[in-house]
Amino acid sequence: ILNVEQSPQSLHVQEGDSTNFTCSFPSSNFYALHWYRWETAKSPEALFVMTLNGDEKKKGRISATLNTKEGYSYLYIKGSQPEDSATYLCAFAPAGGTSYGKLTFGQGTILTVHP
Amino acid sequence: EAGVTQFPSHSVIEKGQTVTLRCDPISGHDNLYWYRRVMGKEIKFLLHFVKESKQDESGMPNNRFLAERTGGTYSTLKVQPAELEDSGVYFCASSQATAYNSPLHFGNGTRLTVT
Repeated sequence: ILNVEQSPQSLHVQEGDSTNFTCSFPSSNFYALHWYRWETAKSPEALFVMTLNGDEKKKGRISATLNTKEGYSYLYIKGSQPEDSATYLCAFAPAGGTSYGKLTFGQGTILTVHP
Repeated sequence: EAGVTQFPSHSVIEKGQTVTLRCDPISGHDNLYWYRRVMGKEIKFLLHFVKESKQDESGMPNNRFLAERTGGTYSTLKVQPAELEDSGVYFCASSQATAYNSPLHFGNGTRLTVT
């Protein structure tokens, strides 16, 4: 059984604050780590797919880092805005899978940005 | 490009009835996935199609669930007979390459309520 843990479960910040949250995953048999942003009543939207240890990716004010040796990824949001309010999901893909299609998701971090 | 579309958006059925969910992936995406989120839990993998072939159906809960993708285009997921524990949001997603290298494009989901 693969465990993908996200922390914190929820987070309240003020507009303009910078914030970060964590995704922990098994450090053995790593292949890829995905981050998704999921707004209420919408579909989850892909942010990043990361495959290399030390990877850093950036999309606007959102960035992510990856440490496959210790099994964690951080997602950072700089200068949070109310429209950043969403659930942020990470999903792990292990090496050696038979279908190369099965992702294991964490429970998500619910971010609320207050004006 | 049109996104992944799912129908219906909501379905309320009684225990013992049958429900069929439909997913139209992004045109040209060979990989199609079904995932499910039961209330308060993480999104869980159900199965993965590559074109019309089931690549991995290890996440299907039991034989009351049947997924098809005739012709490698749209897919259906049938639940027969439905049980109370089948309630949840059923997501379909598609990708060009497999999820190991390519982000998933999700539909808005079908919210299934079994009473």
